[in-house]
Amino acid sequence: EAQVTQNPRYLITVTGKKLTVTCSQNMNHEYMSWYRQDPGLGLRQIYYSMNVEVTDKGDVPEGYKVSRKEKRNFPLILESPSPNQTSLYFCASSHGLAGQETQYFGPGTRLLVL
Amino acid sequence: QKEVEQNSGPLSVPEGAIASLNCTYSDRGSQSFFWYRQYSGKSPELIMSIYSNGDKEDGRFTAQLNKASQYVSLLIRDSQPSDSATYLCAVNKGGGAQKLVFGQGTRLTINP
Repeated sequence: EAQVTQNPRYLITVTGKKLTVTCSQNMNHEYMSWYRQDPGLGLRQIYYSMNVEVTDKGDVPEGYKVSRKEKRNFPLILESPSPNQTSLYFCASSHGLAGQETQYFGPGTRLLVL
Repeated sequence: QKEVEQNSGPLSVPEGAIASLNCTYSDRGSQSFFWYRQYSGKSPELIMSIYSNGDKEDGRFTAQLNKASQYVSLLIRDSQPSDSATYLCAVNKGGGAQKLVFGQGTRLTINP
């Protein structure tokens, strides 16, 4: 089954404790992206990647890191989480080609930073 | 001005009626437009994509694009209670970059 998976689905942590949210897709997509979703603010892009070893900042990259060492994986790293990073996070992927830009979303990771 | 604007609603429509959802965008260079549906607690799923001016129909859904007015809409005919969700408008600003910008979403409720 074609899908985007994220782990963990739910996470409670404390301020300053490094964490990684994994994202993996099995559709051989070049493009992957991370979003956060907050009430009243909608979906905002954190980082995106056009291909292996190619990443770029989205609209809200502060406090986040990403890497793209393999095509299928795009982990999101919070080196020193803070309470304002409490949010619902979605990973997405697409072919990234003109006319094939549809993004497929993972199930989401709900993060609470205390 | 927000890059992509939607009325957050809630929009309440009786079952069987037409639901009309609207979205405006600020970047005239935007090239592709998407409507996603998101049920509470779930991830967004694509309903329609539209790239050219005019209407595009898929079942009960019709997307309308007017680039001159920087306006894109989604019509849902014969609305069903299962259509109750938040609808997200997304705009790809083009230029080869996958910068998809989302609106805040419109919460739609279909009343039986």
